Amino acid sequence: DGGITQSPKYLFRKEGQNVTLSCEQNLNHDAMYWYRQDPGQGLRLIYYSQIVNDFQKGDIAEGYSVSREKKESFPLTVTSAQKNPTAFYLCATRTSGSSYEQYFGPGTRLTVT
Amino acid sequence: GENVEQHPSTLSVQEGDSAVIKCTYSDSASNYFPWYKQELGKRPQLIIDIRSNVGEKKDQRIAVTLNKTAKHFSLHITETQPEDSAVYFCAASRDTGFQKLVFGTGTRLLVSP
Repeated sequence: DGGITQSPKYLFRKEGQNVTLSCEQNLNHDAMYWYRQDPGQGLRLIYYSQIVNDFQKGDIAEGYSVSREKKESFPLTVTSAQKNPTAFYLCATRTSGSSYEQYFGPGTRLTVT
Repeated sequence: GENVEQHPSTLSVQEGDSAVIKCTYSDSASNYFPWYKQELGKRPQLIIDIRSNVGEKKDQRIAVTLNKTAKHFSLHITETQPEDSAVYFCAASRDTGFQKLVFGTGTRLLVSP
């Protein structure tokens, strides 16, 4: 289960606070992704990054921000502008080679009250 | 943009029976179709994928079929076992440098002994 780590596993915050979720990988993969998962729904793309210092909005980027200062790291900040932040957040990576597989981290369950 | 519909949302079978999960997609340019299995509280893991240049792919008890004309693809699990119980997600994407996966809403499979 190594390769992609997300910390912490569970995170609790008060409404109105920003919170940063960590995603670190040692797979040497170029592309990294952040997804949000809600009960009864599929995974929805928040942000993605193909290379260092570059990232793009996904389908539900409002209220979120990211950075990609190092190849290994792609932290996600959930801001107070995100109206429904409580969810399961998954980070994923993909190699730039011919493989199409996305590898997922273990996820962070964020609860905002 | 791409839209992926997945059915059924829940599926209960007896051990040893077969299970079939179906997905339809809207973007005719999509040509990569993975299936992920997610056990409770864990990360999604790729179980099988197919590209549009083939119509069927099999891996032991699991097979995926693709009908590009009808824009649908299916996951077939034969001789189901209790450990097959999980949520299964289909996804679709175009063959581009950045791989944006669009996921279905998931199927909860329950295999009873």
